[in-house]
Amino acid sequence: NAGVMQNPRHLVRRRGQEARLRCSPMKGHSHVYWYRQLPEEGLKFMVYLQKENIIDESGMPKERFSAEFPKEGPSILRIQQVVRGDSAAYFCASSPPRVTGNTIYFGEGSWLTVV
Amino acid sequence: KQEVTQIPAALSVPEGENLVLNCSFTDSAIYNLQWFRQDPGKGLTSLLLIQSSQREQTSGRLNASLDKSSGRSTLYIAASQPGDSATYLCAVNNNNDMRFGAGTRLTVKP
Repeated sequence: NAGVMQNPRHLVRRRGQEARLRCSPMKGHSHVYWYRQLPEEGLKFMVYLQKENIIDESGMPKERFSAEFPKEGPSILRIQQVVRGDSAAYFCASSPPRVTGNTIYFGEGSWLTVV
Repeated sequence: KQEVTQIPAALSVPEGENLVLNCSFTDSAIYNLQWFRQDPGKGLTSLLLIQSSQREQTSGRLNASLDKSSGRSTLYIAASQPGDSATYLCAVNNNNDMRFGAGTRLTVKP
């Protein structure tokens, strides 16, 4: 059973470009979470999705950031018009529908560098 | 809103010492608490998961305790080794919402 798969692992974008980060959850997992880790900081919650539905996006910046988890295919975190401050590691996690008693599983992360 | 704090932010110990990492949280209505390890430039590895009804979990040289009423958890590492050097993150799960502390960066010197 493959784990949570994130790609690309490393992405370099120039200021003003768009960044798209993809996350394929573990098999059987219908819930996906995105977290951002700035240099020297802990993980900050961004958004929690299930297929075709955003459950909680309270951690998402109001502008330029969006996330989706379509019926088919991976979850996508999209950052438009990137700025240097977007440089961070972006982690995706997945869980079965009921996470209360379960571990959530993390991907290896996608490192975004904005130059 | 749940706030998770980890103390200390960084810790350096000689090999062989026993050590304790601390995690505190503001909202005690949690489902579970999880300790993770993160190596530089890497993802997260789950170490221990404690359900809200449990007081502690053990795995090898690691022991995690949970005192929900006081909003505290500790991660005890026995007989530390240089390979234990990493950042340790505490994460608290409230109603499908997992919040992380900033982590404790541990260095174990040979």
